[in-house]
Amino acid sequence: DVKVTQSSRYLVKRTGEKVFLECVQDMDHENMFWYRQDPGLGLRLIYFSYDVKMKEKGDIPEGYSVSREKKERFSLILESASTNQTSMYLCASRGALSGSPLHFGNGTRLTVT
Amino acid sequence: AQTVTQSQPEMSVQEAETVTLSCTYDTSESDYYLFWYKQPPSRQMILVIRQEAYKQQNATENRFSVNFQKAAKSFSLKISDSQLGDAAMYFCAYRSSTHYGGSQGNLIFGKGTKLSVKP
Repeated sequence: DVKVTQSSRYLVKRTGEKVFLECVQDMDHENMFWYRQDPGLGLRLIYFSYDVKMKEKGDIPEGYSVSREKKERFSLILESASTNQTSMYLCASRGALSGSPLHFGNGTRLTVT
Repeated sequence: AQTVTQSQPEMSVQEAETVTLSCTYDTSESDYYLFWYKQPPSRQMILVIRQEAYKQQNATENRFSVNFQKAAKSFSLKISDSQLGDAAMYFCAYRSSTHYGGSQGNLIFGKGTKLSVKP
């Protein structure tokens, strides 16, 4: 079974702090994704990566950056956390084949006060 | 741009009954994939079922089946013999199969349907 692990289930940070959300997958997947999930808005793609050191912006990249130094790890960085970044963050990975489904982590609920 | 619409924000079903969740999508492509994901209160998103657009036969996974109407761009999920464990958010998603690399190959999600199961 594919395992996607997010380092924190709950996180509380203060406005202006730098925040790191970590995600690790164990299936040698090329593609990794960060989404945020908000009530009534569904899932919105923040950033994705299709290879080591490669990244592309998703639909809502403002205020976020990412890092992929190793194939199995994809980090989401909030350079200066703000209250409107309070949300559920979901990491996902998938293989290279076009029909491959996404495999998700358990999510990190981030609260910025 | 492709869009996915789930017109039912919430639905409820009696245990052991059947329920159908609606999903429509908009695309100009002929080749693509459609997915239903389930997100229970534990938050882990789980793949329920997948359909390739070039296959006419509707996908089935145990109590879960889809009604795929390509011309109508409709992809509904039917849950038979509903169980308490089926209570969750359900998301419909679309992905192009001709542009599976880069941003054009990303999943596009609907806003979800919250399903409650009454004992």
